[in-house]
Amino acid sequence: AQSVTQLGSHVSVSEGALVLLRCNYSSSVPPYLFWYVQYPNQGLQLLLKYTSAATLVKGINGFEAEFKKSETSFHLTKPSAHMSDAAEYFCAVSDTGGSYIPTFGRGTSLIVHP
Amino acid sequence: ETGVTQTPRHLVMGMTNKKSLKCEQHLGHNAMYWYKQSAKKPLELMFVYSLEERVENNSVPSRFSPECPNSSHLFLHLHTLQPEDSALYLCASRERAYNSPLHFGNGTRLTVT
Repeated sequence: AQSVTQLGSHVSVSEGALVLLRCNYSSSVPPYLFWYVQYPNQGLQLLLKYTSAATLVKGINGFEAEFKKSETSFHLTKPSAHMSDAAEYFCAVSDTGGSYIPTFGRGTSLIVHP
Repeated sequence: ETGVTQTPRHLVMGMTNKKSLKCEQHLGHNAMYWYKQSAKKPLELMFVYSLEERVENNSVPSRFSPECPNSSHLFLHLHTLQPEDSALYLCASRERAYNSPLHFGNGTRLTVT
């Protein structure tokens, strides 16, 4: 069975500050991991995905995430926050041990202050 | 241009009405999904259709009825809904593979009065 935990339902940062959104997963087999972003009144959009090719994954809009097997983590970071980054962020996991259906975390709302 | 189109974008319906949500994907994917997104709650998977499996969440009330006539189209038929069914309904598609991401539409905002 697979599961995802996103620590912090809300994260607040100042514009220009580092963004760190946490995601921990549980999986009995090597996982595939995804980060999605949802802007107001829109659907979810893929930011980046980990599929075992490299542990540091670069995505769109300057975001990146690092897969750490020992910590079962896949945290999302961005060096400098922009006002336009304010959105809901979802981590998801899919693994070969079960159904093809991915499991989503509860989401983290990123608030960016001027 | 998301590749997944949902109509209508907004829908207001009474509890005795019957309506349908439509989803169309132009990506050649072989699996399609309905999700419900309510305020303050996790994303809830409602139904999945793919070449070989239809998966239902047993907690979905029978007043929601999915239909998938082909791999490009997905419907969600609604009847005698309750106010707590008001939510954003999201359609998604993907290749049926573990490393394939979901592609979402922009959703239908449903309000039940």
